[in-house]
Amino acid sequence: QLVESGGGVVRPGGSLRLSCAASGFTFKDFYMSWVRQPPGKGLEWVAGVNLNGDKRGYGDFVRGRFTVSRDNAKESLYLEMNSLTVEDTAVYYCATWPATSVAFWGQGTAVTVSS
Amino acid sequence: EIVMTQSPATLSVSPGEGVTLSCRASQTVKNDIAWYQQKPGQAPRLIIYRAYNRATDIPARFSGSGSGTEFALTISSLRSEDFALYYCQQFNSWPWAFGQGTRVDIK
Repeated sequence: QLVESGGGVVRPGGSLRLSCAASGFTFKDFYMSWVRQPPGKGLEWVAGVNLNGDKRGYGDFVRGRFTVSRDNAKESLYLEMNSLTVEDTAVYYCATWPATSVAFWGQGTAVTVSS
Repeated sequence: EIVMTQSPATLSVSPGEGVTLSCRASQTVKNDIAWYQQKPGQAPRLIIYRAYNRATDIPARFSGSGSGTEFALTISSLRSEDFALYYCQQFNSWPWAFGQGTRVDIK
């Protein structure tokens, strides 16, 4: 399973670090992603990282503000978010890549950006 | 950036009927596409991976097809638990974009 943490309420311009702890599967064998869902809206892919963490991809809206990383020894995924705006308000999910017969998603952590 | 476009936005269907949802990629994604089902208050659940493979524990009434830029998800005989939102996602190249979703409603 995947368990996210680190969400909360932050002011515009602020920062947050999300974490995702994996268990019950071989974390190091899966590409990982962060996906978000603004209230009442669809899914938005935020960022992804390859197996050993040396290649990363981001959604266009990230514009250098977020950094995804992983620690295979700790079986954890991270998302460092800076310069947050109200448009970043969403539930943030971590997920394994959808290329195999099983895909794991966390329950999500809510991020609210508000003054 | 690859853009994924789903159609229609909403489908109203009676239980027992079949439906086909469409997803188009703005450039080829080979067969690197997945379909998800999402219900209110829940995380998405993987239905189809690599265009036509059913994920673990997904019933046979769900099937995927297509390659390149045109894809479809077919549900052969809708059950009450199938009424939900469905998303496609490409994972051929970053960013791994989602479509905007198709809602399958009870008629």
